[in-house]
Amino acid sequence: EPEVTQTPSHQVTQMGQEVILRCVPISNHLYFYWYRQILGQKVEFLVSFYNNEISEKSEIFDDQFSVERPDGSNFTLKIRSTKLEDSAMYFCASRRSGSPSNEQFFGPGTRLTVL
Amino acid sequence: AQKITQTQPGMFVQEKEAVTLDCTYDTSDPSYGLFWYKQPSSGEMIFLIYQGSYDQQNATEGRYSLNFQKARKSANLVISASQLGDSAMYFCAMREGDSNYQLIWGAGTKLIIKP
Repeated sequence: EPEVTQTPSHQVTQMGQEVILRCVPISNHLYFYWYRQILGQKVEFLVSFYNNEISEKSEIFDDQFSVERPDGSNFTLKIRSTKLEDSAMYFCASRRSGSPSNEQFFGPGTRLTVL
Repeated sequence: AQKITQTQPGMFVQEKEAVTLDCTYDTSDPSYGLFWYKQPSSGEMIFLIYQGSYDQQNATEGRYSLNFQKARKSANLVISASQLGDSAMYFCAMREGDSNYQLIWGAGTKLIIKP
């Protein structure tokens, strides 16, 4: 069964460093998403991506964040200069256009720890 | 105002009993979808069940069913014959409208099944 994959599973970085979180969505999916979940809190939407551009973003997704689909398979989230409060689980999700349930399939997440 | 409210932060249920997890939502959009996801301690997000706002019947998926009461804006998840492996966080989420389908999440309910 196809699945969304994410790498790395856990990343530790120093405050101020750049990080790139990688996702490989399901191959015939067209809509891509990043969410984050700070430990013990609810999941928060960051950004959605369709047709090689951002279609929606939340107020969390400021200039420090960017997304890219560099090669038609990977979908990346870059945080330019990490802050302590960026520590969270980051989930990538993808959705197939036309799915009756519009279900988003989630990857296993990347746990980002900023020291 | 909260868009998705899950009023039960935690629940203990005896194995083999049925359990109902509450979810109420708030939207003025006539087209929306409601999702339930399970998050075990390992952290991944597992899709369980979906209910569309125009669906006439309550959704069912194996042991999971959704008690959809549109007038009351509630979408409670019912798990029949609970198993030890059902112990996890359960999140209710909503997609509003027919745009890019970002999900709005509740705070979750931690379900513990007792042997």
